[in-house]
Amino acid sequence: EVQVVESGGGLVQPGGSLRLSCEASGFTFNNHWMDWVRQAPGKGLEWVANINQDGSETYYVDSVKGRFTISRDNAKNSVFLQMNSLRAEDTALYFCSRELRPPWGQGTMVTVSS
Amino acid sequence: DIQMTQSPSSLSASVGDRVTITCRASQGMRSELLWFQQRPGKAPQRLIYDVSTLQSGVASRFSGSGSGTDFTLTISSLQPEDSATYYCLQYNRYPRTFGQGTKVEI
Repeated sequence: EVQVVESGGGLVQPGGSLRLSCEASGFTFNNHWMDWVRQAPGKGLEWVANINQDGSETYYVDSVKGRFTISRDNAKNSVFLQMNSLRAEDTALYFCSRELRPPWGQGTMVTVSS
Repeated sequence: DIQMTQSPSSLSASVGDRVTITCRASQGMRSELLWFQQRPGKAPQRLIYDVSTLQSGVASRFSGSGSGTDFTLTISSLQPEDSATYYCLQYNRYPRTFGQGTKVEI
């Protein structure tokens, strides 16, 4: 059974950092791109970043470029999102997924507030 | 960036109705379009990929069509469990971009 489980969210002050993790199971992890998508409270979906199978290619939405870094550890079937210089507008539920395919996890909530 | 404009932003319909949601891209695309359903409090679920291919396990009343800049999600006979917000997403170019969503109420 394919499963992804996000973790690492929490409350952080503006300008702070947080590292999200996503552990995957049920499929050959190193055969797939992985994506992060976020959803601010009461708002729509926003694609954030993705990474290719060996980590050599990464792409980001403009609003997080230079602040967020996506990475992966294929030995641990995990993908990460390092978030620096956090802003109030980064407050959202963060989902990871295998190439935007189902199933998605339940997400991990990031709140940026003083 | 490719902007995805969905319409309508919300709709109310009855059980058994045929419902159509449209997504217009700011520039022409090939077939790299997805449709998602998100029920309240739940993670999004992919319904359709490559414009018109139904995701395994998704009810056959859902269908997708379109080309170029105009794409459509159709629910042929609306059911109570279809109450949700629907999003399109283009993966033709980076950054991937979602439409703003269509809330369907029954």
